[in-house]
Amino acid sequence: EVQLVESGGGLVQPGGSLRLSCAASGFSFSSSGMNWVRQAPGKGLEWVSFISSGGSPTFYAESVKGRFTISRDNDKNSLFLQMNNVRGEDTAVYYCAKTRAGGYNLFYFDHWGKGALVTVSS
Amino acid sequence: QVVVTQSPSASASLGASVKLTCTLSSGHSNYAIAWHQQQPEKGPRFLMQINSDGSHTKGDGIPDRFSGSSSGAERYLTISSLQSDDEADYHCQTWGTGVHWQGVFGIGTKVTVL
Repeated sequence: EVQLVESGGGLVQPGGSLRLSCAASGFSFSSSGMNWVRQAPGKGLEWVSFISSGGSPTFYAESVKGRFTISRDNDKNSLFLQMNNVRGEDTAVYYCAKTRAGGYNLFYFDHWGKGALVTVSS
Repeated sequence: QVVVTQSPSASASLGASVKLTCTLSSGHSNYAIAWHQQQPEKGPRFLMQINSDGSHTKGDGIPDRFSGSSSGAERYLTISSLQSDDEADYHCQTWGTGVHWQGVFGIGTKVTVL
């Protein structure tokens, strides 16, 4: 059974830093691209970042580019999101999601974690 | 840059059917999409991916009540024999390529079971 378990969420002040982790099991982690997707309170889903199976390339949403860094440790089946210089609009539940290639031009998220809440407030 | 458009809400009676629409932006009518279900206070769950020819692949354990289809730039999710726990948000998702290589979501459709 595929399991994705996020951790590291919490309260952080504007301008501060936080590191999210995602522990993966039940599939070949080192062969899978991975993502972070977030959901602000009462809002829809927003893709944040992607990392390929080997760690490069990586891609980011414009809203987080230059502030967030995605990384992974394939030996420990773990995914990370380093969040620096956070802002109020970064307040959201952050989901770890496994990537699968689908039809034309499609990568989709075939398994999701339960999420970790990040609150940015002074 | 590809955009997907969804209606914000839909409703149908218990035991009836509801058909949700996801519309791809101009020039992207051949793109595949995925549907994800999010029940209240839960994380999303992958339902299925749908190709431009209407063929689709479901996620693990998704019941036959959920089906997908396609017409032109529109991708559909039909839920038959509606149950109370089908009341959820349904998110349409695709992928942008080229300069804007990224995941793309619609606003989500809130389904209410009457």
